[in-house]
Amino acid sequence: EAGVAQSPRYKIIEKRQSVAFWCNPISGHATLYWYQQILGQGPKLLIQFQNNGVVDDSQLPKDRFSAERLKGVDSTLKIQPAKLEDSAVYLCASSFTSGNNEQFFGPGTRLTVL
Amino acid sequence: AQSVTQPDIHITVSEGASLELRCNYSYGATPYLFWYVQSPGQGLQLLLKYFSGDTLVQGIKGFEAEFKRSQSSFNLRKPSVHWSDAAEYFCAVRGAGNMLTFGGGTRLMVKP
Repeated sequence: EAGVAQSPRYKIIEKRQSVAFWCNPISGHATLYWYQQILGQGPKLLIQFQNNGVVDDSQLPKDRFSAERLKGVDSTLKIQPAKLEDSAVYLCASSFTSGNNEQFFGPGTRLTVL
Repeated sequence: AQSVTQPDIHITVSEGASLELRCNYSYGATPYLFWYVQSPGQGLQLLLKYFSGDTLVQGIKGFEAEFKRSQSSFNLRKPSVHWSDAAEYFCAVRGAGNMLTFGGGTRLMVKP
């Protein structure tokens, strides 16, 4: 069974530029999560989707971050404009549903903002 | 709101020695607790989880964890560490809607 796919694996941009990350969850998984992991810290949930609807985006900095999952399958996370403090690994995870189900994580996208 | 504290940022053990990684949580209801491992450049892999029942939980790769409600702890243990166990370990508690709150992580180094 294929795991959670993410691309790109690495991205370097300058501050004030925009960037987008892509995630393809495990087939059949209805729930998709985006986490931000700053160096030396644990992952922090940014947004959770159930199919194509947002369940929770309370920790998403909405002035610069946006995410969508239009067809309820793959998802895109965008940052515009990027700040230095956005340098982090962005992890995507999926689970079968939002109930008592294990989350499976992708390898992440490492973003460096210069 | 729930929170997780991992008091040890770094731990170094010798290969073959026993290991215990500490995790303390704060949660208003019965907690669902997890341990994940993250190797360099990799995503998070679930080691084990506690939902209810037996407070001693067995996981993959020879790891186990014990839930102690009175101490609000969920410490991870392994009787004999292998060099391949060197990685970062994260404890997490599940809140509403399957959302995970992670601790800051403990980086494990293994001496030959």
